[in-house]
Amino acid sequence: KNQVEQSPQSLIILEGKNCTLQCNYTVSPFSNLRWYKQDTGRGPVSLTIMTFSENTKSNGRYTATLDADTKQSSLHITASQLSDSASYICVVSVYSGGGADGLTFGKGTHLIIQP
Amino acid sequence: NAGVMQNPRHLVRRRGQEARLRCSPMKGHSHVYWYRQLPEEGLKFMVYLQKENIIDESGMPKERFSAEFPKEGPSILRIQQVVRGDSAAYFCASSPPWGRANTEAFFGQGTRLTVV
Repeated sequence: KNQVEQSPQSLIILEGKNCTLQCNYTVSPFSNLRWYKQDTGRGPVSLTIMTFSENTKSNGRYTATLDADTKQSSLHITASQLSDSASYICVVSVYSGGGADGLTFGKGTHLIIQP
Repeated sequence: NAGVMQNPRHLVRRRGQEARLRCSPMKGHSHVYWYRQLPEEGLKFMVYLQKENIIDESGMPKERFSAEFPKEGPSILRIQQVVRGDSAAYFCASSPPWGRANTEAFFGQGTRLTVV
């Protein structure tokens, strides 16, 4: 069964500090992995997307890594800001060959940045 | 490009009524996905549609729920005879045809359904 597990479930850090969120998946055949940020009451917004051959991808203060061998990904946030408070969702895409990639969502990590 | 538009943003229905949720995909996108998010839960896949076709409805409850994406107009998620357990946020995402591994899916702001 395709699954995406995220840890921790929730995290509280002080403004300016760094943090790392984890994502483990058992999805096959793997197509790509995405990290989304979901602000409270809003739709998810894409941060990064990585295919099998990509190990790392950055988007400003967000850096995602992917180890396709161990089926693990991490999202590192540098110099956190209050606006980083949100849920971060790991999504893994299954390649179906017919053009209809299925998406499996993790439950998200709820990040709170304190001043 | 206005992005994925969902309406209404908030919908209140009494038990037994019908709920209709609308999703207009981004311009040029022919694929639509519907997801449900219960409080404190992750996004759960419901249905994947292309124009005039349901591709995958494996996440849809067998009864009371239906979805369509007509040739013209928005995609509609319809819930008949709503019950309190249907209260959730319903998100729509759209994408162009999947031709590359890193094709992006964009989400709407969601419709929050409350059944009273």
